[in-house]
Amino acid sequence: KQEVTQIPAALSVPEGENLVLNCSFTDSAIYNLQWFRQDPGKGLTSLLLIQSSQREQTSGRLNASLDKSSGRSTLYIAASQPGDSATYLCAVRPAGFQKLVFGTGTRLLVSP
Amino acid sequence: SQTIHQWPATLVQPVGSPLSLECTVEGTSNPNLYWYRQAAGRGLQLLFYSVGIGQISSEVPQNLSASRPQDRQFILSSKKLLLSDSGFYLCACGQASGNTIYFGEGSWLTVV
Repeated sequence: KQEVTQIPAALSVPEGENLVLNCSFTDSAIYNLQWFRQDPGKGLTSLLLIQSSQREQTSGRLNASLDKSSGRSTLYIAASQPGDSATYLCAVRPAGFQKLVFGTGTRLLVSP
Repeated sequence: SQTIHQWPATLVQPVGSPLSLECTVEGTSNPNLYWYRQAAGRGLQLLFYSVGIGQISSEVPQNLSASRPQDRQFILSSKKLLLSDSGFYLCACGQASGNTIYFGEGSWLTVV
């Protein structure tokens, strides 16, 4: 059974810092891995998706990497801003399945 | 692009009462549809998913049920709510051959 873990559970940083969020999964047989952002009381917004054959994806200040063999992914946020404050969720799509398995998320607070 | 509508947005129901949460999707056809629940302090738990009309897969045994009467309509129901059913319910859609899963804005359910 696939399990996804995110560390840290919460993170508080001053504006401008570069930061790394971690995601690990127990079964390397995945179709893809996706990072989402969730604002309080809202739905999820997809940030980046990495196919199992890819090593990383970039969008603006965000960069996500994937090491499938070790079961790890990182989300790198450059030059953090207060508007980045949200919960970040990592999810994997197990190979052969039409569903996502989510981690419990990292709650990020960026202070001005 | 795909748009997901969920209603009601907020619901307060007494224990033992019935439940019906509705989700409709625009901008796509024959999507995979999902119901997730996010309880306080916990990650997203997949409840049901559907790959076609009338096809429902249940992930967690519970007093909830799901139905898909039309291609782009997904309904979450209960005959008798429990206190433990309280949470944030999210509908999501994706394509079998696609990658990204899109989420609705969610429905807050409080069982009192």
